[in-house]
Amino acid sequence: AQTVTQSQPEMSVQEAETVTLSCTYDTSESDYYLFWYKQPPSRQMILVIRQEAYKQQNATENRFSVNFQKAAKSFSLKISDSQLGDAAMYFCAYRPGSGAGSYQLTFGKGTKLSVIP
Amino acid sequence: ETGVTQSPTHLIKTRGQQVTLRCSSQSGHNTVSWYQQALGQGPQFIFQYYREEENGRGNFPPRFSGLQFPNYSSELNVNALELDDSALYLCASSLYDPESYEQYFGPGTRLTVT
Repeated sequence: AQTVTQSQPEMSVQEAETVTLSCTYDTSESDYYLFWYKQPPSRQMILVIRQEAYKQQNATENRFSVNFQKAAKSFSLKISDSQLGDAAMYFCAYRPGSGAGSYQLTFGKGTKLSVIP
Repeated sequence: ETGVTQSPTHLIKTRGQQVTLRCSSQSGHNTVSWYQQALGQGPQFIFQYYREEENGRGNFPPRFSGLQFPNYSSELNVNALELDDSALYLCASSLYDPESYEQYFGPGTRLTVT
């Protein structure tokens, strides 16, 4: 079974600084997708960034980028120029690329990010 | 484009009762997934519906059941409620297409079982 581990229950960052959230996963699949979701106090889960395992290039979305290390099964999220609105729970998630369960997201336990003004 | 909506926002039930939660998919989406998020935890997959049939199920007992309707809206039913069923229940809709893998989440229903 696939597992996703987020080893940092809480993190904090000064406004305008950079922070990196860690995620490791375990799978025997070669084709899969990885995601970072943001869940603010409003509870709505919002997709921040996604990475296809077959792509070597790290995904980037504006201030958000990932460091995808397939061999190490590591998928960290870097937030640059942190803003107050970035404060939220961040969840790392995994989905197989095909076959049974290919639409099932497996989430980590989350990292609570605080942004200090 | 209408996003994913869920009702009710929150509710309180007593142990042993039954509850029905509702979800309306985002316009154009034909697949609905349900997740349970216990306090301080990440969401856990309950099941997914496609073409009005269960398409996959996580490690949840049969007292968790669902329906999908022709308009792709969905219901989650939980029978014989237990205290541990207290959680945020999230619905997510998507297209049944391996190339379109993004799931769009609703705001959730907070269920409290006393």
